[in-house]
Amino acid sequence: QVQLVQSGAEVKKPGASVKVSCKPSGYTFSSRNINWVRQATGQGLEWMGTINPNSGSTDYAQKFQGRVTITSDTSISTAYMELSSLASEDTAVYYCARAGYVSGWPGNDYWGQGTLVTVSS
Amino acid sequence: DIQMTQSPSSLSASVGDRVTITCRASQTISRYLNWYQQKPGKAPKLLIFGASGLQSGVPSRISGSGSGTDFTLTISSLQPEDLATYYCQQSYTTPWTFGQGTRVEIK
Repeated sequence: QVQLVQSGAEVKKPGASVKVSCKPSGYTFSSRNINWVRQATGQGLEWMGTINPNSGSTDYAQKFQGRVTITSDTSISTAYMELSSLASEDTAVYYCARAGYVSGWPGNDYWGQGTLVTVSS
Repeated sequence: DIQMTQSPSSLSASVGDRVTITCRASQTISRYLNWYQQKPGKAPKLLIFGASGLQSGVPSRISGSGSGTDFTLTISSLQPEDLATYYCQQSYTTPWTFGQGTRVEIK
């Protein structure tokens, strides 16, 4: 069965960077994009960006341009999301999600368990 | 970016009630509309894809409809396990934007 397993919780100081990993299993890693979505406490879902693991091509939400870097390593079937210049407003749960096609329609059909990133001095 | 607007932001209904949540896109998105359910402390779960397709394992009391800019998620007979927040998402173009969510409570 398809699973996405993310790295553990992080505590970072303002101005630092954080790198979260996401390791899917149960399907061919390079065959589907991986999206990153974040959710601040008590808030909604915010799409951050996506990567095509096969080509390495990325697409980022304008809000995060210049501050987020999404990468993948096909040799270990793992995707990464790095966010720099952290501020308290970046405190959130970060999710990776597979961008699958269900009957031809694109959507996030499988999700990781989420990684809490806390930014605090 | 395409803006997604959900209404209401929250609702309270009794077990057995019919519940309807609407989602409006700021521009036409054909049927590239997904619905997710998120229970407290859990990751979102895909319920509906392509505006009306029922994801495997999702109970048939849940349905979706719409195309273009206006979409609806319906729970025909609300159950206690439907307590959750529901989000629409457009996958017509990146960024795949979400609605702000609708919290469903049980009276």
